[in-house]
Amino acid sequence: TQLLEQSPQFLSIQEGENLTVYCNSSSVFSSLQWYRQEPGEGPVLLVTVVTGGEVKKLKRLTFQFGDARKDSSLHITAAQPGDTGLYLCAGGQGGAQKLVFGQGTRLTINP
Amino acid sequence: KAGVTQTPRYLIKTRGQQVTLSCSPISGHRSVSWYQQTPGQGLQFLFEYFSETQRNKGNFPGRFSGRQFSNSRSEMNVSTLELGDSALYLCASSPVTGFYNEQFFGPGTRLTVL
Repeated sequence: TQLLEQSPQFLSIQEGENLTVYCNSSSVFSSLQWYRQEPGEGPVLLVTVVTGGEVKKLKRLTFQFGDARKDSSLHITAAQPGDTGLYLCAGGQGGAQKLVFGQGTRLTINP
Repeated sequence: KAGVTQTPRYLIKTRGQQVTLSCSPISGHRSVSWYQQTPGQGLQFLFEYFSETQRNKGNFPGRFSGRQFSNSRSEMNVSTLELGDSALYLCASSPVTGFYNEQFFGPGTRLTVL
């Protein structure tokens, strides 16, 4: 069974601080996606990484895929209250449209 | 392009009943996947349909079924509802059948079983 372990599960920090969320697995994934979900809504795709060691930036968010394609991280610089939400990592394998999701990190940014 | 739409957004049913949820994918997307999200188990894959055929299936009992129509719209059905079926049911569509597994989610249907 493929598992993705996300940490931390909960994170509450002050506006302006930096943070990192981790997503780890013993399995190799062909792609790793990060989503953000607001209460009562579906997850919204933030980024997809597919190459080991790949780094992608989305404004203040930096995503990295591990060299062995088993882990990923999301780093937020100078967090803002608008970053509050549930962050989910999801791994895919090959052409199968079947994502394995981590448990999520519930992030709260306090003004 | 319009996003993935799901109907209804909210449903309340009682144990033993059955329910049908509907999903319209993004125009041009031919793959539709369904997921169940609960506080305890997180997001879990139910099944995926492509060209009206089920291609992948998760570890859910046979009470959970689905189908896809020729216009790529999909429905999922849950028969003999149990209290534990209360969850947010999410539909996701994908533009390609290839490597990147990118999926785009709808807002979900919140099912409450009493």
